[in-house]
Formats: sequence, C-alpha cells, structure tokens
Amino acid sequence: GEDVEQSLFLSVREGDSSVINCTYTDSSSTYLYWYKQEPGAGLQLLTYIFSNMDMKQDQRLTVLLNKKDKHLSLRIADTQTGDSAIYFCAEVKAAGNKLTFGGGTRVLVKP
Amino acid sequence: EPEVTQTPSHQVTQMGQEVILRCVPISNHLYFYWYRQILGQKVEFLVSFYNNEISEKSEIFDDQFSVERPDGSNFTLKIRSTKLEDSAMYFCASRKLAGGYTDTQYFGPGTRLTVL
Repeated sequence: GEDVEQSLFLSVREGDSSVINCTYTDSSSTYLYWYKQEPGAGLQLLTYIFSNMDMKQDQRLTVLLNKKDKHLSLRIADTQTGDSAIYFCAEVKAAGNKLTFGGGTRVLVKP
Repeated sequence: EPEVTQTPSHQVTQMGQEVILRCVPISNHLYFYWYRQILGQKVEFLVSFYNNEISEKSEIFDDQFSVERPDGSNFTLKIRSTKLEDSAMYFCASRKLAGGYTDTQYFGPGTRLTVL
C-alpha cells in the first residue's frame, strides 16, 4: 500500500534549525521529494533524494533517509521568516509516475 | 525561468455546471498531470497524460472528468457536471521526460474551484 504521513505543525525560532519528519509505507518507492507551498502559490520543489542514498545536503537543506524505518526528514539550518510555509513530502515509484503526497507540515518561524 | 501557469486562479460555479480548468505547461515538457487538494486534505493525483493520451488515472478520475491538449500549449481539465465535493484546489504539473533523479514534476499555482 501507499501512505505518506507527516506531523501537522512545527513552530521554530528564527535562526534555529527546523526538522520536518515524514514516514512512508511503500518500500518500492524510488524517489522522495520535498515540496514547499507558500500562501497562494503552487508547489515548489525544494529537494529530492534517491532511495539508495542516506543523506543529501543542498545549502541550508539536509535530507536524511532511513530506509529500514521508512523515515524521511528535512532539516533547514538557520531558519528564516521566509521559510514559513507548508512543506510536503512525496514519493514516487518510478520517474514519471504519480506523486503520492503527505498531508503537509505547516512551519511557522517566529522572530 | 519557465513556469507552469494556470487560469483562472479562482472559479466559482453552480452545481451541475461544466467547468474547464486551463494549464500552460513548460514549453519543452511532454508529460502532464492534474492533482487536486480538498481543503484540509492531502494533495491527490488525478491523471497523467503523455503523447496525447492518458497514461494513468486515479479512481477519483471518473467519467465526469476529461483532459485534453487542444493545441501545442494548453492542457485542460474538464468537469462535466460539477458536484459540491469537487470543490478543491486543482494543480497542474508538467515534466520534461527522460528518467533520472533530476526528472521532476513542476507545479502551477493552482486553480481554486468552488462549487455552490
């Protein structure tokens, strides 16, 4: 089956690190993505990771993948007020196939 | 930077009416998608489209829904007889083609459909 779960809400102080967690159930997932949605905007691709990787770093973003526990996380270093948004994790089994999304985590950055 | 565009940004319609949601994918992309997000719920896949035909559709995508690429730039989603439960944000996405981990789906800003 396929189900992707995320916590609903995260509050963080400006300058701190944010960690957004995601769990998935389908072990055949091959690509895992993080999308960001700001108010009134579409889904902006932030980063992705292959299922055969454990970690990927991209500037302030670090993605960790624990395949054994089917757990994905996104760490945002030095969180800024502009990082306030809803963050979605998504999985896909093969390139071009449908994305299966989590419910989204609303991140609120307080000054 | 090229982007996916969608019109209108908000559509209000009466139950039973037909609506057409429009998308202009990124110009050199070949795979197109529609997703929807009912308020407070997850983003759900509706349909994917390639080479002028549907390549995959979800159980949500019943006979009331259809997609079309009427010309070289537009990709449309038609709902023939709207129901209250069709009220949602509808997202269009496009993908260039070719596999690999850089092959991602790029999303438009969405059309909010309200059925009264």
